[in-house]
Amino acid sequence: DGGITQSPKYLFRKEGQNVTLSCEQNLNHDAMYWYRQDPGQGLRLIYYSQIVNDFQKGDIAEGYSVSREKKESFPLTVTSAQKNPTAFYLCASSILGPGGRNQPQHFGDGTRLSIL
Amino acid sequence: AQSVTQLDSHVSVSEGTPVLLRCNYSSSYSPSLFWYVQHPNKGLQLLLKYTSAATLVKGINGFEAEFKKSETSFHLTKPSAHMSDAAEYFCVVWTSYDKVIFGPGTSLSVIP
Repeated sequence: DGGITQSPKYLFRKEGQNVTLSCEQNLNHDAMYWYRQDPGQGLRLIYYSQIVNDFQKGDIAEGYSVSREKKESFPLTVTSAQKNPTAFYLCASSILGPGGRNQPQHFGDGTRLSIL
Repeated sequence: AQSVTQLDSHVSVSEGTPVLLRCNYSSSYSPSLFWYVQHPNKGLQLLLKYTSAATLVKGINGFEAEFKKSETSFHLTKPSAHMSDAAEYFCVVWTSYDKVIFGPGTSLSVIP
Protein backbone atom coordinates (compact mmCIF):
# COMPACT_ATOMS: atom_id res chain seq x y z
CA ASP A 1 0.00 0.00 0.00
CA GLY A 2 1.21 3.51 -0.75
CA GLY A 3 1.73 5.85 2.11
CA ILE A 4 4.00 7.85 4.36
CA THR A 5 6.17 6.20 6.98
CA GLN A 6 7.51 8.19 9.91
CA SER A 7 10.02 6.77 12.35
CA PRO A 8 10.54 6.43 15.17
CA LYS A 9 7.08 6.74 16.70
CA TYR A 10 8.58 8.00 19.99
CA LEU A 11 11.90 9.80 20.41
CA PHE A 12 13.70 11.26 23.39
CA ARG A 13 16.29 14.01 23.24
CA LYS A 14 18.90 14.94 25.76
CA GLU A 15 19.98 18.52 26.33
CA GLY A 16 22.38 19.73 23.65
CA GLN A 17 21.65 16.82 21.34
CA ASN A 18 20.53 16.87 17.74
CA VAL A 19 17.96 14.28 16.70
CA THR A 20 16.70 13.31 13.26
CA LEU A 21 13.16 12.28 12.41
CA SER A 22 12.65 10.10 9.37
CA CYS A 23 9.94 10.53 6.74
CA GLU A 24 9.63 8.27 3.70
CA GLN A 25 6.86 8.22 1.09
CA ASN A 26 6.11 5.83 -1.76
CA LEU A 27 3.29 7.87 -3.27
CA ASN A 28 5.56 9.44 -5.91
CA HIS A 29 4.57 12.87 -4.60
CA ASP A 30 6.76 15.82 -5.47
CA ALA A 31 6.01 17.99 -2.44
CA MET A 32 6.78 17.09 1.17
CA TYR A 33 6.15 18.99 4.40
CA TRP A 34 7.01 18.96 8.08
CA TYR A 35 4.58 20.23 10.70
CA ARG A 36 4.73 20.66 14.43
CA GLN A 37 1.63 20.05 16.54
CA ASP A 38 1.30 21.26 20.12
CA PRO A 39 -1.63 20.40 22.42
CA GLY A 40 -4.75 22.43 21.66
CA GLN A 41 -3.20 24.04 18.62
CA GLY A 42 -3.38 23.51 14.92
CA LEU A 43 -0.41 22.43 12.86
CA ARG A 44 2.40 24.84 12.14
CA LEU A 45 4.61 24.51 9.07
CA ILE A 46 8.32 24.00 9.72
CA TYR A 47 9.75 23.31 6.25
CA TYR A 48 8.50 22.20 2.88
CA SER A 49 10.06 20.96 -0.33
CA GLN A 50 8.66 20.90 -3.84
CA ILE A 51 11.58 19.23 -5.57
CA VAL A 52 14.71 17.26 -4.80
CA ASN A 53 17.61 19.35 -3.44
CA ASP A 54 15.36 22.33 -2.76
CA PHE A 55 13.36 23.33 0.31
CA GLN A 56 11.85 26.43 1.89
CA LYS A 57 11.34 27.61 5.44
CA GLY A 58 7.87 27.62 6.87
CA ASP A 59 6.55 29.66 9.76
CA ILE A 60 8.68 28.14 12.54
CA ALA A 61 11.94 26.95 10.91
CA GLU A 62 14.32 28.24 13.60
CA GLY A 63 16.11 25.38 15.34
CA TYR A 64 15.27 22.86 12.62
CA SER A 65 17.00 21.69 9.46
CA VAL A 66 15.98 19.42 6.57
CA SER A 67 17.40 17.78 3.48
CA ARG A 68 15.82 16.43 0.30
CA GLU A 69 18.38 14.25 -1.41
CA LYS A 70 15.80 11.80 -2.73
CA LYS A 71 12.24 12.30 -3.85
CA GLU A 72 10.98 9.71 -1.36
CA SER A 73 12.75 11.04 1.72
CA PHE A 74 12.55 14.27 3.72
CA PRO A 75 14.29 13.91 7.11
CA LEU A 76 13.94 16.59 9.78
CA THR A 77 16.73 17.36 12.25
CA VAL A 78 15.78 19.02 15.51
CA THR A 79 18.91 20.84 16.60
CA SER A 80 20.03 21.88 20.07
CA ALA A 81 19.10 25.43 19.08
CA GLN A 82 15.43 24.46 19.32
CA LYS A 83 14.78 25.22 22.97
CA ASN A 84 11.29 23.81 23.20
CA PRO A 85 11.24 20.73 20.97
CA THR A 86 8.67 18.69 22.85
CA ALA A 87 5.82 18.21 20.37
CA PHE A 88 4.17 15.85 17.92
CA TYR A 89 5.81 16.08 14.49
CA LEU A 90 3.89 15.24 11.35
CA CYS A 91 5.23 14.69 7.85
CA ALA A 92 2.99 15.11 4.81
CA SER A 93 3.24 14.90 1.05
CA SER A 94 1.16 16.04 -1.89
CA ILE A 95 0.97 16.18 -5.65
CA LEU A 96 2.04 19.49 -7.16
CA GLY A 97 -0.99 21.21 -8.63
CA PRO A 98 -1.20 24.23 -10.93
CA GLY A 99 -0.32 27.31 -8.95
CA GLY A 100 0.69 25.15 -6.01
CA ARG A 101 -2.75 24.77 -4.54
CA ASN A 102 -5.81 22.56 -4.41
CA GLN A 103 -3.96 19.33 -3.72
CA PRO A 104 -4.74 17.68 -0.38
CA GLN A 105 -1.88 16.48 1.74
CA HIS A 106 -1.37 12.91 2.90
CA PHE A 107 0.01 12.51 6.41
CA GLY A 108 2.19 10.04 8.22
CA ASP A 109 1.35 8.83 11.74
CA GLY A 110 3.75 11.20 13.42
CA THR A 111 6.72 11.15 15.77
CA ARG A 112 6.33 12.25 19.38
CA LEU A 113 9.50 13.95 20.62
CA SER A 114 10.16 14.47 24.31
CA ILE A 115 13.01 15.95 26.33
CA LEU A 116 14.83 13.80 28.87
CA ALA B 1 -4.69 38.26 6.61
CA GLN B 2 -5.78 34.70 6.20
CA SER B 3 -7.17 32.81 9.16
CA VAL B 4 -9.31 29.87 10.19
CA THR B 5 -11.64 29.87 13.17
CA GLN B 6 -13.19 26.74 14.59
CA LEU B 7 -15.91 28.06 16.79
CA ASP B 8 -16.01 25.19 19.27
CA SER B 9 -12.96 23.67 20.89
CA HIS B 10 -15.05 20.72 22.06
CA VAL B 11 -18.36 19.24 20.93
CA SER B 12 -20.19 16.39 22.63
CA VAL B 13 -23.06 14.49 21.01
CA SER B 14 -24.99 11.33 21.72
CA GLU B 15 -24.56 8.36 19.44
CA GLY B 16 -27.10 8.48 16.62
CA THR B 17 -27.65 12.26 16.81
CA PRO B 18 -26.44 14.83 14.25
CA VAL B 19 -22.95 16.32 14.31
CA LEU B 20 -22.17 19.97 13.48
CA LEU B 21 -18.59 21.25 13.61
CA ARG B 22 -18.26 24.89 12.68
CA CYS B 23 -15.53 26.57 10.66
CA ASN B 24 -15.18 30.13 9.45
CA TYR B 25 -12.33 31.38 7.33
CA SER B 26 -10.82 34.62 6.18
CA SER B 27 -8.91 34.69 2.93
CA SER B 28 -7.90 37.27 0.38
CA TYR B 29 -8.06 34.67 -2.33
CA SER B 30 -10.59 32.10 -3.44
CA PRO B 31 -9.45 29.36 -1.12
CA SER B 32 -9.39 25.62 -1.17
CA LEU B 33 -10.93 24.27 2.02
CA PHE B 34 -10.45 20.91 3.65
CA TRP B 35 -11.60 18.99 6.68
CA TYR B 36 -9.26 16.46 8.28
CA VAL B 37 -9.81 14.03 11.14
CA GLN B 38 -7.13 12.94 13.61
CA HIS B 39 -7.43 10.00 15.97
CA PRO B 40 -5.15 9.91 19.04
CA ASN B 41 -1.45 9.58 18.21
CA LYS B 42 -2.20 9.30 14.52
CA GLY B 43 -1.71 11.47 11.47
CA LEU B 44 -4.44 13.47 9.79
CA GLN B 45 -6.84 11.82 7.38
CA LEU B 46 -8.63 13.80 4.69
CA LEU B 47 -12.41 13.80 5.13
CA LEU B 48 -13.39 16.08 2.26
CA LYS B 49 -12.27 19.04 0.18
CA TYR B 50 -13.80 22.06 -1.51
CA THR B 51 -12.02 23.40 -4.59
CA SER B 52 -14.54 25.79 -6.19
CA ALA B 53 -16.78 23.13 -7.70
CA ALA B 54 -20.07 22.14 -6.00
CA THR B 55 -20.69 24.03 -2.78
CA LEU B 56 -22.02 20.93 -1.00
CA VAL B 57 -19.17 18.50 -0.65
CA LYS B 58 -19.58 14.88 0.36
CA GLY B 59 -16.74 13.10 2.09
CA ILE B 60 -15.90 9.79 3.66
CA ASN B 61 -17.70 8.12 6.56
CA GLY B 62 -20.96 9.99 5.90
CA PHE B 63 -19.58 13.48 6.49
CA GLU B 64 -20.39 16.46 4.31
CA ALA B 65 -19.70 20.18 4.34
CA GLU B 66 -21.27 23.20 2.70
CA PHE B 67 -19.26 26.14 1.42
CA LYS B 68 -21.10 29.43 1.99
CA LYS B 69 -19.14 32.30 0.53
CA SER B 70 -21.47 34.98 1.91
CA GLU B 71 -20.94 33.67 5.42
CA THR B 72 -17.28 32.63 4.85
CA SER B 73 -18.17 29.32 6.43
CA PHE B 74 -17.42 25.67 5.76
CA HIS B 75 -19.25 23.74 8.47
CA LEU B 76 -18.91 19.96 8.74
CA THR B 77 -21.99 17.83 9.36
CA LYS B 78 -23.02 14.22 9.73
CA PRO B 79 -26.62 13.05 10.17
CA SER B 80 -25.91 10.39 12.76
CA ALA B 81 -22.85 10.15 14.99
CA HIS B 82 -21.05 6.86 15.52
CA MET B 83 -18.73 6.01 18.38
CA SER B 84 -15.84 5.74 15.93
CA ASP B 85 -16.32 9.43 15.00
CA ALA B 86 -14.81 10.51 18.32
CA ALA B 87 -11.62 12.33 17.30
CA GLU B 88 -10.07 15.75 16.64
CA TYR B 89 -11.26 17.58 13.53
CA PHE B 90 -9.32 20.28 11.70
CA CYS B 91 -10.58 22.81 9.20
CA VAL B 92 -7.83 23.87 6.77
CA VAL B 93 -7.53 26.75 4.35
CA TRP B 94 -5.04 26.36 1.53
CA THR B 95 -4.14 29.09 -0.91
CA SER B 96 -0.65 27.94 -1.90
CA TYR B 97 2.16 25.65 -0.75
CA ASP B 98 3.39 28.02 1.90
CA LYS B 99 -0.01 29.37 2.88
CA VAL B 100 -1.66 26.38 4.47
CA ILE B 101 -3.52 27.41 7.61
CA PHE B 102 -4.87 24.87 10.07
CA GLY B 103 -7.63 25.73 12.48
CA PRO B 104 -7.01 24.96 16.16
CA GLY B 105 -9.18 21.86 16.01
CA THR B 106 -12.47 20.69 17.49
CA SER B 107 -12.53 17.66 19.74
CA LEU B 108 -15.63 15.54 19.15
CA SER B 109 -16.89 13.24 21.89
CA VAL B 110 -19.64 10.70 21.21
CA ILE B 111 -21.67 9.53 24.19
CA PRO B 112 -23.10 6.00 24.02
